[in-house]
This record gives sequence, C-alpha cells and structure tokens, in this order.
Amino acid sequence: NAGVTQTPKFRILKIGQSMTLQCTQDMNHNYMYWYRQDPGMGLKLIYYSVGAGITDKGEVPNGYNVSRSTTEDFPLRLELAAPSQTSVYFCASSRKALDEQYFGPGTRLTVT
Amino acid sequence: GENVEQHPSTLSVQEGDSAVIKCTYSDSASNYFPWYKQELGKGPQLIIDIRSNVGEKKDQRIAVTLNKTAKHFSLHITETQPEDSAVYFCAARASQKVTFGIGTKLQVIP
Repeated sequence: NAGVTQTPKFRILKIGQSMTLQCTQDMNHNYMYWYRQDPGMGLKLIYYSVGAGITDKGEVPNGYNVSRSTTEDFPLRLELAAPSQTSVYFCASSRKALDEQYFGPGTRLTVT
Repeated sequence: GENVEQHPSTLSVQEGDSAVIKCTYSDSASNYFPWYKQELGKGPQLIIDIRSNVGEKKDQRIAVTLNKTAKHFSLHITETQPEDSAVYFCAARASQKVTFGIGTKLQVIP
C-alpha cells in the first residue's frame, strides 16, 4: 500500500492563478481531510469528506473548494490564489471518525 | 467550536530524561484524543491515542493520561532518545472534526 499520496510536492503560484492539489489514498478509507499548516499555528482543517459525494467545511474553508467523486481521490482546488494561502497542505484519511488519521507527505505552496 | 491549547511550545531535555507535554480542550463532547509526531519535512504520524472511557494508556516509553473532569490530557515520554526529537501535536475530536494544538517542538540533547 502506498498509503496517502499527494502531488505536487512543491508549487509556486502567482496571485490570481488557480491550481488543484491532488490527494489519493489506497486504503479504502471513507474519511478524508485537507489541512493547512502555518508556522507556529498547528494544523487547521479546511474541508473534509465522510464518503464519496459528501463533503463539508472545516475551520478555514474560504478560498478553497473540494470534490469527492470516488473513495480514493479528494482534490483541493484553489481558484484565485492569494498570498495568505502560502502554506503547507496535508491530506489525510481515516477508516472511521474515531480512528487514526494517515497523513500524506504534504504540498508546500507559495503564492507571490 | 472546539479549542485545544498545548504547552509548552518548545521543550529541551537531556537524553534519558522524561518529557511531558500538556493539552487542554474546551468541548465536553470530545471523546477521542490522539497524539501525532511530525518529523522535519514529513506528515504527522500517530504515536498514541486515548478514548474518553479510559484514563491512561501506555505503549513502551510513551504514555498518555486523560482527565475528563478537568478537560486536559498529557503526553509522557520516558528515557528520551535523540530520535524522539520532533514536533508533537495533541488533538481532540468531537463528532466528525478533529482540532489540533499548535504543536510542541521537542529537542533531546545527547
């Protein structure tokens, strides 16, 4: 099992550009999550999904969109990149709500 | 929503000493409390977790305690080793969402 994979590892965007961060898991987990990690701020939940076709907002959803068309994939979309979205983004998955979350290696995004 | 406070933000200990990291939470509905270790350049990885029906859990050199009345839980690492150096996050889960603390950077000095 590859676990949770994320692409790309690094990306530099100009203000106003758009991009999609990809996340795939091969553990057949129902739950998937997107977090952002800023220095000294811990992990903030952006969006989560409890199964294919179901998504919901987390703590900091503004400026982002998600979709969950399959169990395996949970892409995160940035429509109009802003400097405030410079961060490290982690995707995670878990089998159930009260279960260990498995994290991907992260995507480091810089918006200039 | 849930609020999780974690301290200290940095912690330096001599190799072989113990390290303690403390967290408090605000939502009495929280019932799952995981601890994650994050090494440089990697995603967080679960090291131990505890559920609200248990007061203490131990796994070799790592232990976690939970006081539901006071709404706080702690991570204890004994006989620290240089490879324990990392950032540690506590978290609390109520319903579908998990809230993380800001992290503790642990440095174990050989």
